[in-house]
Amino acid sequence: TQLLEQSPQFLSIQEGENLTVYCNSSSVFSSLQWYRQEPGEGPVLLVTVVTGGEVKKLKRLTFQFGDARKDSSLHITAAQPGDTGLYLCAGPSRSYNTDKLIFGTGTRLQVFP
Amino acid sequence: DAGITQSPRHKVTETGTPVTLRCHQTENHRYMYWYRQDPGHGLRLIHYSYGVKDTDKGEVSDGYSVSRSKTEDFLLTLESATSSQTSVYFCAISESWGRGGGYTFGSGTRLTVV
Repeated sequence: TQLLEQSPQFLSIQEGENLTVYCNSSSVFSSLQWYRQEPGEGPVLLVTVVTGGEVKKLKRLTFQFGDARKDSSLHITAAQPGDTGLYLCAGPSRSYNTDKLIFGTGTRLQVFP
Repeated sequence: DAGITQSPRHKVTETGTPVTLRCHQTENHRYMYWYRQDPGHGLRLIHYSYGVKDTDKGEVSDGYSVSRSKTEDFLLTLESATSSQTSVYFCAISESWGRGGGYTFGSGTRLTVV
């Protein structure tokens, strides 16, 4: 069974601090995605990483895919209150023959002004 | 205009009653999915569809059924609601899978079974 484990589960920081959240698996994934979910809304896709070792930047957010394609990290520089939300990683399940994602349990980030 | 809408947004129902949740898309995407989200479990796939009248089970399909008679609509039915089905339900859509493909989610339906 493919599992995606995210850490930490919860993170509370002050505005301006840097942080990193992690997504780990014992399985190899062809790609991984990161989503952000705000209260009362569905997750919104932030990025897809495809190649082992790949680094993608989205403004203050930096995403990295592990060389072995079993893990990924999300680093936020100078966090802002608008970054508050639930961050989910997701990867395609290989146990089905169509496009289905399995999701990690998420990291809930709270950024205080 | 939102490309995917769910209805209702909130519902309270009694144990044993049937409940149908609706997902409507305007994107003409082939794939549609129903997930439930619960604390400590994350998002878990209930059922999915890969075309009109083509559906299959996900990891937590017991007690649920789905139908897709049109490209734009995907219905999730709880035949006889139980308290364990209290959850937030999300519908998602996607185009044909590619390495950069992703899901677009609806805003969710919060269902409470009392």
